[in-house]
Amino acid sequence: AQSVTQPDIHITVSEGASLELRCNYSYGATPYLFWYVQSPGQGLQLLLKYFSGDTLVQGIKGFEAEFKRSQSSFNLRKPSVHWSDAAEYFCAVANQAGTALIFGKGTTLSVSS
Amino acid sequence: GAVVSQHPSWVICKSGTSVKIECRSLDFQATTMFWYRQFPKQSLMLMATSNEGSKATYEQGVEKDKFLINHASLTLSTLTVTSAHPEDSSFYICSASILAGGLFQETQYFGPGTRLLVL
Repeated sequence: AQSVTQPDIHITVSEGASLELRCNYSYGATPYLFWYVQSPGQGLQLLLKYFSGDTLVQGIKGFEAEFKRSQSSFNLRKPSVHWSDAAEYFCAVANQAGTALIFGKGTTLSVSS
Repeated sequence: GAVVSQHPSWVICKSGTSVKIECRSLDFQATTMFWYRQFPKQSLMLMATSNEGSKATYEQGVEKDKFLINHASLTLSTLTVTSAHPEDSSFYICSASILAGGLFQETQYFGPGTRLLVL
């Protein structure tokens, strides 16, 4: 069965510092991979997605993620974090288009000044 | 981009009553919609897959008689929490993918969620 692991429950980063959120998945083939962000009490916003092609994908708000098949990872990065980036980040996987997503447990990002 | 709406966004009800949550795809047709539940400070868990014109498919551990799903049209799926109890208090989110040319697009579009509080 597919699974998604986000090893870090909570991360605190200084404003202006770089960020990397880890995500590992368990799936035989190349899955469809997503990163979503959720602000408190709000719905989900798609940051970026990967299905095929270039393994480094660019998303909104200056985020990027790199798919590494050998490590079964899809880590999210941002070179310079802003205070408004403080939120909950979810990595998700689907085995094909149109199917339900399996979510990781999420990583809470706090930004210190 | 495609938009999915949910109504209501917030609902408070008494224990034992039923609550209906609507999920609409505003600018596309959705033959399949998904319902997720998110407890406070936890991840989203798939509850069921809603299929237009047929019965929903429920995940293991989700009571189909308690969480009634109806997908009567290509743009509307409803989730009814019957005889709600405090432990049903949660954030319910729906999603849908666009079906074009017989193929689903990769991106799923999520509704803004419905927060249910059962007293």
